[in-house]
Amino acid sequence: DAGVTQSPTHLIKTRGQQVTLRCSPKSGHDTVSWYQQALGQGPQFIFQYYEEEERQRGNFPDRFSGHQFPNYSSELNVNALLLGDSALYLCASSLRGTSGGPSGQFFGPGTRLTVL
Amino acid sequence: GQQVMQIPQYQHVQEGEDFTTYCNSSTTLSNIQWYKQRPGGHPVFLIQLVKSGEVKKQKRLTFQFGEAKKNSSLHITATQTTDVGTYFCAGRNYGQNFVFGPGTRLSVLP
Repeated sequence: DAGVTQSPTHLIKTRGQQVTLRCSPKSGHDTVSWYQQALGQGPQFIFQYYEEEERQRGNFPDRFSGHQFPNYSSELNVNALLLGDSALYLCASSLRGTSGGPSGQFFGPGTRLTVL
Repeated sequence: GQQVMQIPQYQHVQEGEDFTTYCNSSTTLSNIQWYKQRPGGHPVFLIQLVKSGEVKKQKRLTFQFGEAKKNSSLHITATQTTDVGTYFCAGRNYGQNFVFGPGTRLSVLP
């Protein structure tokens, strides 16, 4: 039973570039949430996808966008990268459009993005 | 907007000592989750609390949800070196997304 997988593991970009991060949810899960975790901080909610639609969004600018595919996998796109976008980007999967089930959210290993 | 705070920020204990971290929300929560993140790892779900005054135990870990559903605590009895990591609470206000606290970083000296 595969857990949450994310790719790539690490990424280095320069300011102004665009980046796409990918996530495959845990087998049987249909909901994907994306988080940004700066060094030494707690994860900050970016948005959640369920049934191929963005269901909830955190306090992030429109430079952050996403997509969910019919197989439940998801992408996070960030345009016009800023130095402050350097962080660990975590994907979490859950069931039926909610993160609040008794099994919580299953997090992937994350993608470490460095913006130079 | 909703804010979630945790204290202490750091805790250093001797192996065998107890440890407690506290989580406080600026708003009433529908439920709260606790996660553990090992150094270099990703958050791993520990438990979810839903009911006012709820207490749940997992071996040496005891979780409490306050009567007003605005605070929670995690207590570890007789810490071990395997308990090292950062403990996060994440609170949700009805229908909203989960908001994570800044975490409490636990180090255990052997």
